[in-house]
Amino acid sequence: AQSVTQLDSQVPVFEEAPVELRCNYSSSVSVYLFWYVQYPNQGLQLLLKYLSGSTLVESINGFEAEFNKSQTSFHLRKPSVHISDTAEYFCAVSSGTYKYIFGTGTRLKVLA
Amino acid sequence: NAGVMQNPRHLVRRRGQEARLRCSPMKGHSHVYWYRQLPEEGLKFMVYLQKENIIDESGMPKERFSAEFPKEGPSILRIQQVVRGDSAAYFCASSPQYSNQPQHFGDGTRLSIL
Repeated sequence: AQSVTQLDSQVPVFEEAPVELRCNYSSSVSVYLFWYVQYPNQGLQLLLKYLSGSTLVESINGFEAEFNKSQTSFHLRKPSVHISDTAEYFCAVSSGTYKYIFGTGTRLKVLA
Repeated sequence: NAGVMQNPRHLVRRRGQEARLRCSPMKGHSHVYWYRQLPEEGLKFMVYLQKENIIDESGMPKERFSAEFPKEGPSILRIQQVVRGDSAAYFCASSPQYSNQPQHFGDGTRLSIL
């Protein structure tokens, strides 16, 4: 069975500081990996995805994540955060089927 | 979240009433998924539908919950005789095919049971 672990439930960080949100998964088959962001009272927006190819994937707003097969990780990073990045971030895994397995989420709070 | 439309955004029901949640997928998408998000938890898969077919309902509670995606109109998630424990955010997602295409989510319906 697949599972996703997001160890940090909350991450406070000062504006313009770097941040890393951790995601580890377990799966016996090849996986697709996703990061979604959820702003208050909204749905999930796809931030970035790893399907195949380059293990480093980037989003349009400065986030990046690296697929590390040996460590079964897909950590999300940003070198300099903004207040507007305050949101909840969900990591998800899929084995190529429709069932996404989501982590419990990490609340990123950017402090002025 | 442009594209996947859910309504209502907020729904309040008393115990024992019925709740109906609607979802219109993105244009061109024929696959619909429903997820439930309980407080402080991630999303949990409930059901996967295509037009007029339930493909996988393994995440649906066995009683009181049902889903449909008719040939015409939105997908409906129906909860009969609601209880306090049904209070949650219910999200709909859609995709053009289930393979490796990311699912696109609506803004959810927040269901509160009094």
